[in-house]
Amino acid sequence: EVQLVESGGGLVRPGGSLRLSCAASGFSLSTYSMNWVRQAPGKGLEWVSSISSDSSYIHYAASLKGRFTISRDNAKNSLYLQMNSLRAEDTAVYYCARVSYKLLGAFDIWGQGTMVTVSS
Amino acid sequence: EVMLTQSPGTLSLSPGERATLSCRASQSVSSSFLAWYQQKPGQAPRLLIYGASSRATGIPDRFSGSGSGTDFTLTIRRLESEDFAVYYCQQYGSSPQTFGQGSKVEIK
Repeated sequence: EVQLVESGGGLVRPGGSLRLSCAASGFSLSTYSMNWVRQAPGKGLEWVSSISSDSSYIHYAASLKGRFTISRDNAKNSLYLQMNSLRAEDTAVYYCARVSYKLLGAFDIWGQGTMVTVSS
Repeated sequence: EVMLTQSPGTLSLSPGERATLSCRASQSVSSSFLAWYQQKPGQAPRLLIYGASSRATGIPDRFSGSGSGTDFTLTIRRLESEDFAVYYCQQYGSSPQTFGQGSKVEIK
């Protein structure tokens, strides 16, 4: 079964750090660009970051101001999001999502999400 | 940044009725790079439509997408109970890629 499973979320104090992971199964991550998308409680979807299959192209939402770093380890079939200097407004469910070039770049596979809560 | 504005915010309909959801872009979006997603409470989004009008695998034909330029529409021909959810449009042709704020289809 093709799936993505996120982990690493939790409760962290403002200014703290977390590293999210996204494990792929049923397909080889190495041939796909990947994204992180977040959703604050009761709010809509917000794109966070994207990374190409070979890590040569990386993009971030301007609102992150350099605090987050996306990376991947194709040998481990995994995607990561290092989050530093966390703020209350980073509280959200974080999803990883696969880009399908066959479907013109739409996000065809999503993980179930991992909750990040930033609070003192 | 391309802003996507969805309307209406909430649509109250009965099963069997037709739902028409709008997604308006602040600047022209290539039709190839406009998608629609469905999200139910506690679940991840699910891809419904890509390329503005193509259904993703397994999506029933009561769902259809149309539009070009700055105006796009998702139509659900006859609502079934499992269609009551929130719907998001997304453009990924311009960086940064952006989502609309969502339209909720609720049972009347």
